[in-house]
Formats: sequence, C-alpha cells, structure tokens
Amino acid sequence: DTGVSQDPRHKITKRGQNVTFRCDPISEHNRLYWYRQTLGQGPEFLTYFQNEAQLEKSRLLSDRFSAERPKGSFSTLEIQHTEQGDSAMYLCASSPDRVIYNEQFFGPGTRLTVL
Amino acid sequence: DAKTTQPPSMDCAEGRAANLPCNHSTISGNEYVYWYRQIHSQGPQYIIHGLKNNETNEMASLIITEDRKSSTLILPHATLRDTAVYYCTVKETSGSRLTFGEGTQLTVNP
Repeated sequence: DTGVSQDPRHKITKRGQNVTFRCDPISEHNRLYWYRQTLGQGPEFLTYFQNEAQLEKSRLLSDRFSAERPKGSFSTLEIQHTEQGDSAMYLCASSPDRVIYNEQFFGPGTRLTVL
Repeated sequence: DAKTTQPPSMDCAEGRAANLPCNHSTISGNEYVYWYRQIHSQGPQYIIHGLKNNETNEMASLIITEDRKSSTLILPHATLRDTAVYYCTVKETSGSRLTFGEGTQLTVNP
C-alpha cells in the first residue's frame, strides 16, 4: 500500500454512460498524475496537476475526458459518453514537489469495462 | 523524452540474481533513469532511480554505464514475489510525465 487510494476499484458501465473516478493522493504530495493502461501495455500519461492547477494534458485526453483537483487534495477523472475503447485501467499517482527528482507513487487503479 | 528498449521477458531462478537490462541510447544530460515494477493487477511500484552513478537501496541496485546509454537493474536474491513486469523509463529533472514502454516480464522460478 503506497498511501494513494482510488475509488472504485472496478467499474462496469454501458456504452454512452458517464463515469467518474476518484483519487486520494498521499497527503503531503503536491503533484498528482493520471495514467491509462490497456492490456499488455505500459501506463500512458493522461494529465498532471500541481496543487489545483492542471499543468499538462496528453493528446490522449479527448474532449470526453475531464479531470479536476478542486482544493489541491483529491482528484476526479470523468469520462462522458463512454466508448468500448475507453476500457482500461486508470491509474493515479502522486509525488512530492521536488525540483530535481520526484518518484511517483501509484494507487491500485480503477479498472473500467465498457460494454 | 528519450525512448527505452527492454527485452520482453526474462526468467530467473529463485535465490539467484536477476539482471534486467535497459537501453536508453538517446538519453539527454538532464534525464534520470527510473525503474518501476508492476505486479499483476496492481499499480506500478517505484524501485530506484539514478543519474550517473550506480545506486543501491533496500530493493535493488542500479548500474548505469559511463556513457549513460544503458543501465541494468539488479535484484540480488530474487524471490517468487519479484515476479512482475519491470519498466525502465527516463525523465527530465523538471518534467512531469513518466513514459513507459512495454517493460520486461520477469518470472522467478522455484
């Protein structure tokens, strides 16, 4: 247990529905990241927050995806109008705000299945 | 970000050292080498990182070649619980994202 928690751990939804995932980072970590992982592949970066500011977004993050970190603590990732291609593991990570290096601590992930 | 290449799979006998190679020939001077591992159905776990010098912690050792174009992660006494996918990645000192390849599936056999 790294101290990063994600909820829910599993989500099954029908195509076209909206889903929201939550991530609670390690409390003293200012940086929070979202990644997506499909079967047999390494995690792919989606977006990154420093405190409440969303500083970077991947091209993978289409208009149907939105992430927030309203008070610089927990974060939510919402997917609207889900598609079967959205089926994946969604991973959250957090890290301290060091200048030189910062190892990222990952949560257990939320596995999304879109039927 | 520099790309990394790793063998897709490796086997190791329990109790022996596991040496996992990684090629990062296009690494730039301000990029660190990071290693993570992912046990089935869990999130990736940080193992170790380094810039130029060899590094050791309670989990592993990291050997980086002098030209920094490749590195080796060493698990000195592999156990069955070390069976996992091991990812080598590089990241700028000020960069945010980690870029993962497909990693190496290490299987530790009894």
